[in-house]
Amino acid sequence: DTAVSQTPKYLVTQMGNDKSIKCEQNLGHDTMYWYKQDSKKFLKIMFSYNNKELIINETVPNRFSPKSPDKAHLNLHINSLELGDSAVYFCASGREAVNTGELFFGEGSRLTVL
Amino acid sequence: RKEVEQDPGPFNVPEGATVAFNCTYSNSASQSFFWYRQDCRKEPKLLMSVYSSGNEDGRFTAQLNRASQYISLLIRDSKLSDSATYLCVVNGRKGGKLIFGQGTELSVKP
Repeated sequence: DTAVSQTPKYLVTQMGNDKSIKCEQNLGHDTMYWYKQDSKKFLKIMFSYNNKELIINETVPNRFSPKSPDKAHLNLHINSLELGDSAVYFCASGREAVNTGELFFGEGSRLTVL
Repeated sequence: RKEVEQDPGPFNVPEGATVAFNCTYSNSASQSFFWYRQDCRKEPKLLMSVYSSGNEDGRFTAQLNRASQYISLLIRDSKLSDSATYLCVVNGRKGGKLIFGQGTELSVKP
């Protein structure tokens, strides 16, 4: 069974479109994250939710809106996609809100904006 | 200055070699330190935590120098399967979130 699963794995779309990525974890963790990994391989945190509550919201354009319907799910919706949004988006989960422990990552969703 | 800095490499080494990666971090208040491994086009996975006293896991040894704000990872007797990108990870300033370095790419050749 996959611990952290994301869909879709690949997404190719045109500028200006709106798209969503879904994430689910079956580890029973309270905290979930979205990270963005750009072409230079930097992994940057975007959002963190603890038990459905937003606890970290980095400087991310308003076009990005996370949503956590329950603590096992964290989705990411992106409006008006831009070329610079092309990246791999990783969902992750962890045991603690303060995040001093291990993160479990999904396989990533590779977004290409044309 | 980046919060976590690593030499991106690539490091190209023959099988059996010993290789060392270094990492520096800017926040002197950081408490938790890790090395993650990321294979090509895969997700990052925890390799090992780094403790103040240094720790070893098989062929891998991690060291922490708080005074210099420096972390290292030593891999002995490199295997082909060690080829990957090694990410230095530190908990950051706000809310203890993890900050990832750019990663150091290792390629072990036969």
